[in-house]
Amino acid sequence: AQKITQTQPGMFVQEKEAVTLDCTYDTSDPSYGLFWYKQPSSGEMIFLIYQGSYDQQNATEGRYSLNFQKARKSANLVISASQLGDSAMYFCAMRYYGNNRLAFGKGNQVVVIP
Amino acid sequence: DGGITQSPKYLFRKEGQNVTLSCEQNLNHDAMYWYRQDPGQGLRLIYYSQIVNDFQKGDIAEGYSVSREKKESFPLTVTSAQKNPTAFYLCASTGQISGANVLTFGAGSRLTVL
Repeated sequence: AQKITQTQPGMFVQEKEAVTLDCTYDTSDPSYGLFWYKQPSSGEMIFLIYQGSYDQQNATEGRYSLNFQKARKSANLVISASQLGDSAMYFCAMRYYGNNRLAFGKGNQVVVIP
Repeated sequence: DGGITQSPKYLFRKEGQNVTLSCEQNLNHDAMYWYRQDPGQGLRLIYYSQIVNDFQKGDIAEGYSVSREKKESFPLTVTSAQKNPTAFYLCASTGQISGANVLTFGAGSRLTVL
């Protein structure tokens, strides 16, 4: 069974600093996709970044980058130059191509302080 | 603007009552999903539909029912058989973003059983 693990406790980050959120996954499928979503207190899930298992380069999207280490089965999210609006829960998710479904981790809480 | 509309945003139900959560999308997406989120937890898949008039059970389908009579609509009914229905419910659909199949979410519906 596919599994996503996010085990960091809640984090306080100084504004303008970078923060790294850990995500490890477990799958026997060679083809899969990894996603990060942001959930602010309003509740809506906002897509941030995607990494395919066959992508040669780490994905980047503005201030977000994904540190993909395939052999270690980790897909850490890096947020550079944190802003107050980055305070939210962050979820790592994996699509396994057997059935096009997404499995989610339990999330990381980030609070950005001025 | 294209998007996913969920209603109602907040819903209160007495024990033993069925309730239906609405989900409408104007993104022309084929696949739609219902997820449940409990406090401090990730999302768990209830039901999904890849195409009109077809749907499959997710990981926690017991006590729920769905229909997919129109491409735009995927309502979820929480039946009295669902033993612990108080939760946050998120509807999503799948579409292409930057070459990846990405889940786009609605704003969610928060159900409380009194």
